[in-house]
Amino acid sequence: AQSVSQHNHHVILSEAASLELGCNYSYGGTVNLFWYVQYPGQHLQLLLKYFSGDPLVKGIKGFEAEFIKSKFSFNLRKPSVQWSDTAEYFCAVSRYSSASKIIFGSGTRLSIRP
Amino acid sequence: DAGVTQSPTHLIKTRGQQVTLRCSPKSGHDTVSWYQQALGQGPQFIFQYYEEEERQRGNFPDRFSGHQFPNYSSELNVNALLLGDSALYLCASSLEHGSYEQYFGPGTRLTVT
Repeated sequence: AQSVSQHNHHVILSEAASLELGCNYSYGGTVNLFWYVQYPGQHLQLLLKYFSGDPLVKGIKGFEAEFIKSKFSFNLRKPSVQWSDTAEYFCAVSRYSSASKIIFGSGTRLSIRP
Repeated sequence: DAGVTQSPTHLIKTRGQQVTLRCSPKSGHDTVSWYQQALGQGPQFIFQYYEEEERQRGNFPDRFSGHQFPNYSSELNVNALLLGDSALYLCASSLEHGSYEQYFGPGTRLTVT
């Protein structure tokens, strides 16, 4: 079955701490991988994406993610978080080379203490 | 460049009623997908429309139906509403022969009482 697992339901960090959010997927075949963010009161926005090539991808606002094919993982990282990073983060997967349905994880709520 | 727009923003309905939600895709996009996001959960895929046809469908009952118009805009219809249909309904648009990214609208918050 196709699925995405996010290991942490709620993460609380202080400003300037480093962040790593875990994501594993189960999907038959080659995939597109995404991280989306949902800031309070705002709509879902794309943080970064991986389609092919360099497995280390950089996104907006200093976020990056690494695709490790052997581990079916796509973890999100940021060296130093800010209060404005408080949001819900969703890892997602879709079939490679298509705009087909996206399968989302259940999300990780990130709270940053000022 | 207009992004994805959805209407209405909020809606309150009673069990058993029917509802129609609307979506206008991002300019230049030809494919529309609908997702349901229950509170505290990730979005779940309902169906996708391309060339006015339903192309893919998720694990949702036939009470959920849709339509795509020649201008690529789309409607989601839900019949015989249940309390469990209360959720944020998201529309996403993409370009069939493009970058495979889906752009999401702000959603319609449906509350069923």
